[in-house]
Amino acid sequence: NSKVIQTPRYLVKGQGQKAKMRCIPEKGHPVVFWYQQNKNNEFKFLINFQNQEVLQQIDMTEKRFSAECPSNSPCSLEIQSSEAGDSALYLCASSKDRNQDTQYFGPGTRLLVL
Amino acid sequence: GDQVEQSPSALSLHEGTGSALRCNFTTTMRAVQWFRKNSRGSLINLFYLASGTKENGRLKSAFDSKERYSTLHIRDAQLEDSGTYFCAAADTNAYKVIFGKGTHLHVLP
Repeated sequence: NSKVIQTPRYLVKGQGQKAKMRCIPEKGHPVVFWYQQNKNNEFKFLINFQNQEVLQQIDMTEKRFSAECPSNSPCSLEIQSSEAGDSALYLCASSKDRNQDTQYFGPGTRLLVL
Repeated sequence: GDQVEQSPSALSLHEGTGSALRCNFTTTMRAVQWFRKNSRGSLINLFYLASGTKENGRLKSAFDSKERYSTLHIRDAQLEDSGTYFCAAADTNAYKVIFGKGTHLHVLP
């Protein structure tokens, strides 16, 4: 029931390499969220945007991750220098309103850092 | 501690029976969302509630912000209901949602 598109579905990188993943939110959804889900099924919020503006981000995201949602282009999340601990499923979600609406999730990008 | 405590972590039901999943919150949340993770690993939206109850087929959910909990009731469980269910609560003061750790449901024939 979600039309959020995430690419690639799988990503394999060596430690120290950059890892970049993309998300196309549902049409008409200006708010985009990124989450990291680890092997224990635990979700960690990373960052969210409304249009091109960052609303919130956690410390980890500020230091090693960069994210953007340019107009008329897919949103992206990039890890500047991948670490083994970054191996996880990265989920993108979008919603119509940052306060009041359902979040719709994409299928995720599964990152493996060797 | 965790802001969202989901229970049980695992549940086995026989077909045709029912049960309830629960999420307790340590702070006031403004909304809750329930998901099921399908066989492909995608999160399927089940419910979004800012208050009260909603029902859809064999599923019913309730959210009480003041009492800081939400429930998901499953009745007449079917084999295809098996999977992992997550609640996710929206913090009053933030734009993000906080997930529970999931309930792995196994429906037995």
